[in-house]
Amino acid sequence: AQKITQTQPGMFVQEKEAVTLDCTYDTSDQSYGLFWYKQPSSGEMIFLIYQGSYDEQNATEGRYSLNFQKARKSANLVISASQLGDSAMYFCAMREGIYSSASKIIFGSGTRLSIRP
Amino acid sequence: DAGVTQSPTHLIKTRGQQVTLRCSPKSGHDTVSWYQQALGQGPQFIFQYYEEEERQRGNFPDRFSGHQFPNYSSELNVNALLLGDSALYLCASSSRGRGPTGELFFGEGSRLTVL
Repeated sequence: AQKITQTQPGMFVQEKEAVTLDCTYDTSDQSYGLFWYKQPSSGEMIFLIYQGSYDEQNATEGRYSLNFQKARKSANLVISASQLGDSAMYFCAMREGIYSSASKIIFGSGTRLSIRP
Repeated sequence: DAGVTQSPTHLIKTRGQQVTLRCSPKSGHDTVSWYQQALGQGPQFIFQYYEEEERQRGNFPDRFSGHQFPNYSSELNVNALLLGDSALYLCASSSRGRGPTGELFFGEGSRLTVL
């Protein structure tokens, strides 16, 4: 069965510093997709970045990058030059199967990131 | 371009009552998934609807049921409410056949409190 593990319940980071949020996953499928979502206090989940299991390069989206280590089943999110607006819950998620179809997306327990001014 | 909209945003019910939550997907999306998010936890998958049929279901009892309409909007129904059903209920839409990403777009959720 697929599983997502986020071991950092909370993190404090100084503004403008880089931060890494950890995520490990477990799946028996060879084809899967990995996602990171941000959830501000408003509750809405905001999509940040995606990595497919066959992608050879790490995904990047602006200040976000995904450090994908397939052999270790690790998909850490790196936020460069953190900003006060980055304070939120962050969730790692996975879909088994590469393409958008019937496969559900499951989420980890999240990491609460707080940025200090 | 309207995103995912959910209603109501907040509601309070008592144990044993029934509740219906509603969701309109993002324009162009045909698949709706529902998630339950308890306080301080990650979203838990309830079920997914496509072409007006339930396609996948998570580990939730039959008290949780849903429906999808021809216009792709969806409802989540919960019967015989328990205190443990208090949570944020998130609706997410996506589009089948959309490239390799197919990320979910979420609404702001319906916060249910059961007293």
